[in-house]
Amino acid sequence: QQQVKQSPQSLIVQKGGISIINCAYENTAFDYFPWYQQFPGKGPALLIAIRPDVSEKKEGRFTISFNKSAKQFSLHIMDSQPGDSATYFCAAIEGSGGGADGLTFGKGTHLIIQP
Amino acid sequence: GAGVSQSPRYKVAKRGQDVALRCDPISGHVSLFWYQQALGQGPEFLTYFQNEAQLDKSGLPSDRFFAERPEGSVSTLKIQRTQQEDSAVYLCASSLGGGRSHPGYTFGSGTRLTVV
Repeated sequence: QQQVKQSPQSLIVQKGGISIINCAYENTAFDYFPWYQQFPGKGPALLIAIRPDVSEKKEGRFTISFNKSAKQFSLHIMDSQPGDSATYFCAAIEGSGGGADGLTFGKGTHLIIQP
Repeated sequence: GAGVSQSPRYKVAKRGQDVALRCDPISGHVSLFWYQQALGQGPEFLTYFQNEAQLDKSGLPSDRFFAERPEGSVSTLKIQRTQQEDSAVYLCASSLGGGRSHPGYTFGSGTRLTVV
């Protein structure tokens, strides 16, 4: 059972445009939702994270929008740059002790920013 | 060191061979995690250590997989009698906090295991 569903699988955006990646989850006990960026041959790196008590969090060009009732959250990359080309993963975890101690990841979105 | 270090970077094993993968976490980090990342997929949780205690091994796919962190720093993931389905990148991550106190979750670059 895939607990975090991510879409699209791949995305091509023009330089300067907005990249949007969506995730949906099933486990209502999840209460921490990070996004990771991964370049080829490297491990994932934490970009930004949100907890369900807020609907939006912004850090620089990266924004997470969170909809608790719909069990969905999304990553927006504003003014997308070629250096943003990478694979992006959403993830989730239960913070209060239930479930596994590790993050549950989506399958990833391969983002290409065209110059 | 400044980051999480994993060795070897690449490992080719013949089916049935035992392998050992090493992780050096960031100095002082309490929590250590192992993940398995198949080609084109997201990482999947394998096991979690808090200092030397293995608190969660629910993600280990079979009893051929074994992990240890005897002194609360370096960790080794051992896979016995490797099978082709074990081919993947094995990622190690560490964090300063214990339990689920994210963020601060730093991944290494992984070990790419290919079983032939």
